[in-house]
Amino acid sequence: QKEVEQNSGPLSVPEGAIASLNCTYSDRGSQSFFWYRQYSGKSPELIMFIYSNGDKEDGRFTAQLNKASQYVSLLIRDSQPSDSATYLCAVKKGNNFNKFYFGSGTKLNVKP
Amino acid sequence: NAGVTQTPKFQVLKTGQSMTLQCAQDMNHNSMYWYRQDPGMGLRLIYYSASEGTTDKGEVPNGYNVSRLNKREFSLRLESAAPSQTSVYFCASTRDGNTEAFFGQGTRLTVV
Repeated sequence: QKEVEQNSGPLSVPEGAIASLNCTYSDRGSQSFFWYRQYSGKSPELIMFIYSNGDKEDGRFTAQLNKASQYVSLLIRDSQPSDSATYLCAVKKGNNFNKFYFGSGTKLNVKP
Repeated sequence: NAGVTQTPKFQVLKTGQSMTLQCAQDMNHNSMYWYRQDPGMGLRLIYYSASEGTTDKGEVPNGYNVSRLNKREFSLRLESAAPSQTSVYFCASTRDGNTEAFFGQGTRLTVV
């Protein structure tokens, strides 16, 4: 079983719509959760992190964490073509904060 | 403000050749990491260094060695390259264990 699972997509949404990206993790001891965006041929860059159950908002982005269901999501409101990229979910376990476990990423296409 | 710098950006090796990938960060971060990224596989941790003087294996350490030369520099060595090591390699660093990772621009390695 993979530590972090993501649907590879592609997920296609029209410009202005809400894009919903999902991630599940296997270890209930995981405590830190990160969303990275990666443009083709580029390195990952952090969008948001979340540690506590519930929602965390930053501009057009909202991260949602449900530890009981072992589920993390990222909502992108008013999606723009520039949001088209691969989104990587990453998890850190409570017993070793120095190991990130990454999902394989979800490719998002925002159509003008 | 360089952040994390990797060299080289591209490399082609013949099977059996050796090489060292270099990584340096100027953010005074304690922890450094080496990942490989293959299509559909996401980022997989090869080795990490929680602090200067320490290194530990990640998910896929076979065929690699690392050196944490000082706080700034963390190198990855392939002693005898194999085609299965064809990948994009990313170096990353974090201030401490439970914070976001900053990535270098990546090294695209092809082993023929």
